[in-house]
Amino acid sequence: NAGVTQTPKFRILKIGQSMTLQCTQDMNHNYMYWYRQDPGMGLKLIYYSVGAGITDKGEVPNGYNVSRSTTEDFPLRLELAAPSQTSVYFCASTIQGPFYEQYFGPGTRLTVT
Amino acid sequence: GENVEQHPSTLSVQEGDSAVIKCTYSDSASNYFPWYKQELGKRPQLIIDIRSNVGEKKDQRIAVTLNKTAKHFSLHITETQPEDSAVYFCAAGSGTYKYIFGTGTRLKVLA
Repeated sequence: NAGVTQTPKFRILKIGQSMTLQCTQDMNHNYMYWYRQDPGMGLKLIYYSVGAGITDKGEVPNGYNVSRSTTEDFPLRLELAAPSQTSVYFCASTIQGPFYEQYFGPGTRLTVT
Repeated sequence: GENVEQHPSTLSVQEGDSAVIKCTYSDSASNYFPWYKQELGKRPQLIIDIRSNVGEKKDQRIAVTLNKTAKHFSLHITETQPEDSAVYFCAAGSGTYKYIFGTGTRLKVLA
């Protein structure tokens, strides 16, 4: 199994541009999460999904959107990028929710200038 | 709202000494408590976890203790080594489908 994979690894955006961060897991996990981690800080939850077709907001959802059309994929969309969205983005998954190990992807380092 | 407090934010120990990191959670419905280690530029990785029906769990030099009554859990690392230097995060599995993370502890093991 590849586990949780994310693309791209790095990206530089100009202010106002949009992009989609891709996340895929091959473990048949139901729950998937998007976090952002600012330099020297902890993990902040952006959005999460408990299954295909079901998504919900975390603590910092503004400026982002998600979709979950399949069990495997959970893309994160940034619209109108702003410097405040400069961060490292981690996707994660777990089989049955927050009572089991959460597996993280390798992260996407995004810079908005 | 739900939160997890983690202390200390930074911790320096001499190689071979022990390190203890403490977390306090607020959600009484939490029953899963993982600890993650994050090395510089890497993803968080699970090092040990504990469930609410267990008071202590040990894996070689790492142990976690849980006091459900007081809503405290702690990470203990014995015989620290330079490769233990990293940021450590505690978390609580919340009944609202989410993990609530602590703010992290930067551990430095001095050779």
